[in-house]
Amino acid sequence: GESVGLHLPTLSVQEGDNSIINCAYSNSASDYFIWYKQESGKGPQFIIDIRSNMDKRQGQRVTVLLNKTVKHLSLQIAATQPGDSAVYFCAENSRDSSYKLIFGSGTRLLVRP
Amino acid sequence: ETGVTQTPRHLVMGMTNKKSLKCEQHLGHNAMYWYKQSAKKPLELMFVYSLEERVENNSVPSRFSPECPNSSHLFLHLHTLQPEDSALYLCASRMQGGYGYTFGSGTRLTVV
Repeated sequence: GESVGLHLPTLSVQEGDNSIINCAYSNSASDYFIWYKQESGKGPQFIIDIRSNMDKRQGQRVTVLLNKTVKHLSLQIAATQPGDSAVYFCAENSRDSSYKLIFGSGTRLLVRP
Repeated sequence: ETGVTQTPRHLVMGMTNKKSLKCEQHLGHNAMYWYKQSAKKPLELMFVYSLEERVENNSVPSRFSPECPNSSHLFLHLHTLQPEDSALYLCASRMQGGYGYTFGSGTRLTVV
């Protein structure tokens, strides 16, 4: 069945450190993955995406890693800042149901000053 | 602003009221979605409209009634809701065949 899950509900990091948020998925037909950031009172905002034919993709201060062998996805945030405090969701797009995304339950990132 | 606008931002309604949530996008997208977001739960897909046709109704109670009059507008009509329906209701859109959604800021609904 379809499921996208997150390993940790809350992650607390020191400002300036790197953050790693993990996500597991179970659908082998998933061909596209996205990370969203949701701040309090706002809707989810796109951070970075990756297709299944890639292992790594980098953005500004963020990197997404995809390990298809173990069906694992991670989001790395370099030099974490207070403005990074939010809930982070991974989502997958499956070739079986390409018109919708399946979302994980979310990880809350807390940045300590 | 993301390009997807939801109104109202906050809504308090009694269980016997009838209200509607509105979503509007001018991004040229042709697929629109309603999601429910409750505390500590994953985003729950409610309805999907593709090219103005409803393609998915995810076992949502009939007290929620969607309407998509054109590709730019999506409504969620609410009647005789229950307190457990209190949640953040998110609208999203994307180009069919595309991948990422663009979300609105949501409507925070409280049923009393």
